[in-house]
Amino acid sequence: AQSVTQPDIHITVSEGASLELRCNYSYGATPYLFWYVQSPGQGLQLLLKYFSGDTLVQGIKGFEAEFKRSQSSFNLRKPSVHWSDAAEYFCAVGANDYKLSFGAGTTVTVRA
Amino acid sequence: NAGVMQNPRHLVRRRGQEARLRCSPMKGHSHVYWYRQLPEEGLKFMVYLQKENIIDESGMPKERFSAEFPKEGPSILRIQQVVRGDSAAYFCASSPRGVFGLGQPQHFGDGTRLSIL
Repeated sequence: AQSVTQPDIHITVSEGASLELRCNYSYGATPYLFWYVQSPGQGLQLLLKYFSGDTLVQGIKGFEAEFKRSQSSFNLRKPSVHWSDAAEYFCAVGANDYKLSFGAGTTVTVRA
Repeated sequence: NAGVMQNPRHLVRRRGQEARLRCSPMKGHSHVYWYRQLPEEGLKFMVYLQKENIIDESGMPKERFSAEFPKEGPSILRIQQVVRGDSAAYFCASSPRGVFGLGQPQHFGDGTRLSIL
């Protein structure tokens, strides 16, 4: 069965600094990979997805992620964070063509 | 707003009552998925439905939980005789097709926060 690990429960970063969120997955086949963001009391918004092709994918809000098959990782990055980036971030793997398996999430706090 | 619509946003029930959660998919989407998010955890898959059909309910508890997606109207997640452990956020997602391989991600609603007294 597939699984997703987000090693960092909570990250604090200064506004304007870079951000990297880690995601490792376990899945026997070619993965479909996603990053979602959840603001407090809200639903999940898709930041970006990897289905195939270029391993560096660009998403919304200035985020990007790199798929590294050899490391089973799909880390999310942003060069310069804004206060509005404070939220919870979820990495997910798509299996069986439709079933998403989520990590436990990383909460990002942005300090002024 | 053409997004996935869920209602109610918040639902409070006493133990033993029934909870009904509704989800209207995005326009043009005929595939609906329900996920549950327990406190401090990621979302867990519950059930996948197409119009009038349950495709995969492997994540649904065997008792008290049921889901439907009728030909007309929203998808309904029904929890009978609720218990404290049912307190969670329930999210609905939809997609135009049922397979990621066709490049179709799932789009999520804002969820229903269910609290059991």
